[in-house]
Amino acid sequence: DTEVTQTPKHLVMGMTNKKSLKCEQHMGHRAMYWYKQKAKKPPELMFVYSYEKLSINESVPSRFSPECPNSSLLNLHLHALQPEDSALYLCASSQVHSSLTDTQYFGPGTRLTVL
Amino acid sequence: EDKVVQSPLSLVVHEGDTVTLNCSYEVTNFRSLLWYKQEKKAPTFLFMLTSSGIEKKSGRLSSILDKKELFSILNITATQTGDSAIYLCAVEEGNTDKLIFGTGTRLQVFP
Repeated sequence: DTEVTQTPKHLVMGMTNKKSLKCEQHMGHRAMYWYKQKAKKPPELMFVYSYEKLSINESVPSRFSPECPNSSLLNLHLHALQPEDSALYLCASSQVHSSLTDTQYFGPGTRLTVL
Repeated sequence: EDKVVQSPLSLVVHEGDTVTLNCSYEVTNFRSLLWYKQEKKAPTFLFMLTSSGIEKKSGRLSSILDKKELFSILNITATQTGDSAIYLCAVEEGNTDKLIFGTGTRLQVFP
């Protein structure tokens, strides 16, 4: 089973709302990732968690706040977003970060629209 | 600056044709090269390549890496309409442990 699940599939929010994106995997992977993908562009890395600890933050604005409650779950808390934050948010996981056998498996994504 | 370049950007073919997608890279500390297929949503993993000259094959898809010339190709034989997608190439950089994506090749297969 190489499944990464994400909820919700679609999210529409106003600039004053607080919402959360959720990602889950049960493959025993210890590395999890958040990517942002704008239309017709490749995914851009936002955050990396390795063994439930934040290991990479790609200078993402503080209105995006990641959280890794346990090895299977990854959240992305959203607050005071801007319309330009509208995008597809992808979660991925891999066995271990920084490994020659590392393959990232992507979830289906959450399509976020900020009004 | 590390970069991954894919060509062509776009490709339109008829069912049954064979296509070759190209990915070249300039990456400081190469660890692996990955190919993904992206349809409406998330990229799905196709291949991971770490060694030169060893072809990886899955059905009608195959891929090979040339670490001397710094490129990889993805071949699709006997294309089908279901092969229509964006094909992304990504290189894992060893110093930063990040995937560096190319811009993708948009493949459209018509009946």
